[in-house]
Amino acid sequence: GAGVSQTPSNKVTEKGKYVELRCDPISGHTALYWYRQSLGQGPEFLIYFQGTGAADDSGLPNDRFFAVRPEGSVSTLKIQRTERGDSAVYLCASSLTRTSSTDTQYFGPGTRLTVL
Amino acid sequence: QQQVKQSPQSLIVQKGGISIINCAYENTAFDYFPWYQQFPGKGPALLIAIRPDVSEKKEGRFTISFNKSAKQFSLHIMDSQPGDSATYFCAASKMGSNYKLTFGKGTLLTVNP
Repeated sequence: GAGVSQTPSNKVTEKGKYVELRCDPISGHTALYWYRQSLGQGPEFLIYFQGTGAADDSGLPNDRFFAVRPEGSVSTLKIQRTERGDSAVYLCASSLTRTSSTDTQYFGPGTRLTVL
Repeated sequence: QQQVKQSPQSLIVQKGGISIINCAYENTAFDYFPWYQQFPGKGPALLIAIRPDVSEKKEGRFTISFNKSAKQFSLHIMDSQPGDSATYFCAASKMGSNYKLTFGKGTLLTVNP
C-alpha cells in the first residue's frame, strides 16, 4: 500500500514569507507526527496528533509554527514569517494508533525547506 | 542538551564485516530504544527496537545490545553488505510518551564491495 506522502518535496522561499507543508498519512493511521531534521542531525520532534487534536505540541520552536489536522487525516504544517534558521527537512510520520507504546512510526520522504 | 549521544559519526566497513554503532543516553526514564535506517532522499525507517527488560535482540543480521547499568546500547550489523550503506539513527523515548522519539545525530555507514 501507499506510504506517507509529503508535498512539496522541495520548497524554496524568501525570508519573511509564509509556507505550508502537507502530509498525507497512511490510510487508517490515527496518529501523526511532525519532525524537523537539520543538516547532519537526527530528526527533532515538533508535534503529535491523535485524530484531529494536537496531543503534544511541545516541540514547536515558537509561535511562528502551527499545524492542523482538521479531519483526522491530512495534516498541514504552517510556518509564518520564515527565517533562514527554519531551513531543514520537515518529516511527517504516522502510526496506526498511539494506544500501543511500541507503535511503529512510518516516515514520509520529507519536504526540504530552504529559506533564502 | 543532547539526550542521546551517538558514535561514530561515520563508519567505513568492508563487505562481510561487522558494523558497530554505539549510543549512550542520560535520561533513566527512557524505556524504548529503536534504531532507524535512512537512505538519501528518504525518511527514516524502523530497523529494530528494544526495551530495557532484555539485554539483546536479534533480527536477521541486525542485533541490538543493551546495557542498562551503563545506559548504553549498540547496533551490530553482521555480514555487512553494500546495500546497508545508509545513515543510522538511534533513538529513545519515555514511558507514557513513547510517541516522542529523541534521536541521536546519526552515523553514516559505508560498506565497500
